[in-house]
Amino acid sequence: TQLLEQSPQFLSIQEGENLTVYCNSSSVFSSLQWYRQEPGEGPVLLVTVVTGGEVKKLKRLTFQFGDARKDSSLHITAAQPGDTGLYLCAGANAGGTSYGKLTFGQGTILTVHP
Amino acid sequence: DVKVTQSSRYLVKRTGEKVFLECVQDMDHENMFWYRQDPGLGLRLIYFSYDVKMKEKGDIPEGYSVSREKKERFSLILESASTNQTSMYLCASSSFERPNEQFFGPGTRLTVL
Repeated sequence: TQLLEQSPQFLSIQEGENLTVYCNSSSVFSSLQWYRQEPGEGPVLLVTVVTGGEVKKLKRLTFQFGDARKDSSLHITAAQPGDTGLYLCAGANAGGTSYGKLTFGQGTILTVHP
Repeated sequence: DVKVTQSSRYLVKRTGEKVFLECVQDMDHENMFWYRQDPGLGLRLIYFSYDVKMKEKGDIPEGYSVSREKKERFSLILESASTNQTSMYLCASSSFERPNEQFFGPGTRLTVL
């Protein structure tokens, strides 16, 4: 069974601060997704990273896939209250036919105070 | 606007009842998924389906079954609900071309008393 360890589990910061969320595994993934979930809603896909070492930017969010495709990070610059939510990483199994079977991390609850 | 809809946002059932959770997607996606979400555990896959009438067990299928009679609809069935099945249930869908990029419904919060 593949596992994804996400840290930290909780993050409470002030508006304007920077933060990084980590997603680590001993397994190799063919791709890794990051989702954000707001209270009362389902997760919404933010980004997919596929290539080892890949970096993708989405406004103030920077996503990186590790060289060995075992880990990923999400960095938010100058956080805003609208960034508040649950952030989830999810890895797709390398090799074989997965039909989209993902392994999810436990999630990071981010609270950004005005 | 593409959508995944779930039949109920909140549901309260009694132990031993049969429970049906319905999910419908309008994106003509081949793949559909049922997850449960519990605090500190992330999302855990219960069952998934990659085609009509096809189903595969996920990581925690015990106590659940599924049905996919039409491409757009995927049902989760709790044959005899138990208190440890109290949880948030999330349905998702994805295309054959991009199976890992999943679109989620708003979830059903099920409480079993």
